[in-house]
Amino acid sequence: KQEVTQIPAALSVPEGENLVLNCSFTDSAIYNLQWFRQDPGKGLTSLLLIQSSQREQTSGRLNASLDKSSGRSTLYIAASQPGDSATYLCAVPPSGGSYIPTFGRGTSLIVHP
Amino acid sequence: EAGVAQSPRYKIIEKRQSVAFWCNPISGHATLYWYQQILGQGPKLLIQFQNNGVVDDSQLPKDRFSAERLKGVDSTLKIQPAKLEDSAVYLCASSLTDTNTEAFFGQGTRLTVV
Repeated sequence: KQEVTQIPAALSVPEGENLVLNCSFTDSAIYNLQWFRQDPGKGLTSLLLIQSSQREQTSGRLNASLDKSSGRSTLYIAASQPGDSATYLCAVPPSGGSYIPTFGRGTSLIVHP
Repeated sequence: EAGVAQSPRYKIIEKRQSVAFWCNPISGHATLYWYQQILGQGPKLLIQFQNNGVVDDSQLPKDRFSAERLKGVDSTLKIQPAKLEDSAVYLCASSLTDTNTEAFFGQGTRLTVV
């Protein structure tokens, strides 16, 4: 059974810092890995999707890397802004059978001015 | 492109009452998921549909939860009777297929059982 762990659970930083959010998973047989953002009281917004054959994806100030063999993904946020404050979740579906993403508990990020 | 639509946004009910949630996925998306997210936790899959068939409902408490997607488009999730521990956000998501494609989520329905 896939288990997904996200570290740290919470992070509070001043504006402008470069951030690293970590996601680890126990079963490396995955289809892909998806990073989401969740604002309080809202649904999930997809940020980046990394296919199992890729090593990284970039979107604006966000960069996500994937190391399947070690069961890890990292989300980098450059030059953080207060608007980045949210919970960040990673989801990992297994490669065998149906695409059923398993989520981590998320990293709660606060960026203060 | 319209996203995944869910209603209602909020619902407060007393324990032992019934409640139903509705989801309209992105047009053309064959796969639909219902997740339960308890405060402070990641979403937990309740049920996955591929068109109008159930792919996985192993974590659905079938004694009180039911879901259907009769025409392979909209879906409803029902709880009857509700318990206090059912208080959570219920998220609906859809994806184009059930393999290797991006999942898109609705805004969720926040349920409070008192």
